[in-house]
Amino acid sequence: AQSVTQLGSHVSVSEGALVLLRCNYSSSVPPYLFWYVQYPNQGLQLLLKYTSAATLVKGINGFEAEFKKSETSFHLTKPSAHMSDAAEYFCAVSDRDKIIFGKGTRLHILP
Amino acid sequence: DTGVSQDPRHKITKRGQNVTFRCDPISEHNRLYWYRQTLGQGPEFLTYFQNEAQLEKSRLLSDRFSAERPKGSFSTLEIQRTEQGDSAMYLCASSRRGEAFDEQFFGPGTRLTVL
Repeated sequence: AQSVTQLGSHVSVSEGALVLLRCNYSSSVPPYLFWYVQYPNQGLQLLLKYTSAATLVKGINGFEAEFKKSETSFHLTKPSAHMSDAAEYFCAVSDRDKIIFGKGTRLHILP
Repeated sequence: DTGVSQDPRHKITKRGQNVTFRCDPISEHNRLYWYRQTLGQGPEFLTYFQNEAQLEKSRLLSDRFSAERPKGSFSTLEIQRTEQGDSAMYLCASSRRGEAFDEQFFGPGTRLTVL
């Protein structure tokens, strides 16, 4: 069965600093991987997805993620954090007809 | 192109009561999904529809839960004899075709509180 593990339920970074949110996956088949963001009182929004076309995936709002098969990882990064990036981030993997989500990482941006 | 909408946004009920939630997907999306999200957890899959056919139900979906999508458009999720453990955010999502890599578009959710 497919699964994802997000390392760190809370991450704090200073405004302007590098954002790194970690995700490791487990999949018996080549995976489709996603990062979603959830702002308070809003639904989930897709940041980016990996569909095997390219290992470095660029998403919205300056985020990107790199698929590393050897490390079974799909970490999310952003070079410079903004206050508006404060939210909860979910790594997810496709499991046939549904998406399996990680437990989420809440990103805090320090002024 | 409007997004996925859910109604109500909040529902407070007493234990033992029945509740029903509605989801309107993006028009012409064939797939409709229901997820449940509890505090501190990611969304967990409950069930999904391809048009009006319910194709899969999670073990999380006890016999007190029922979902319908009668005309392949909007969907309803009913919980009978609610329990405090049902308190959660119920999320609806839709996708165009249902390919594994298709983006699922999420609604804002219905927050259920069972007293």
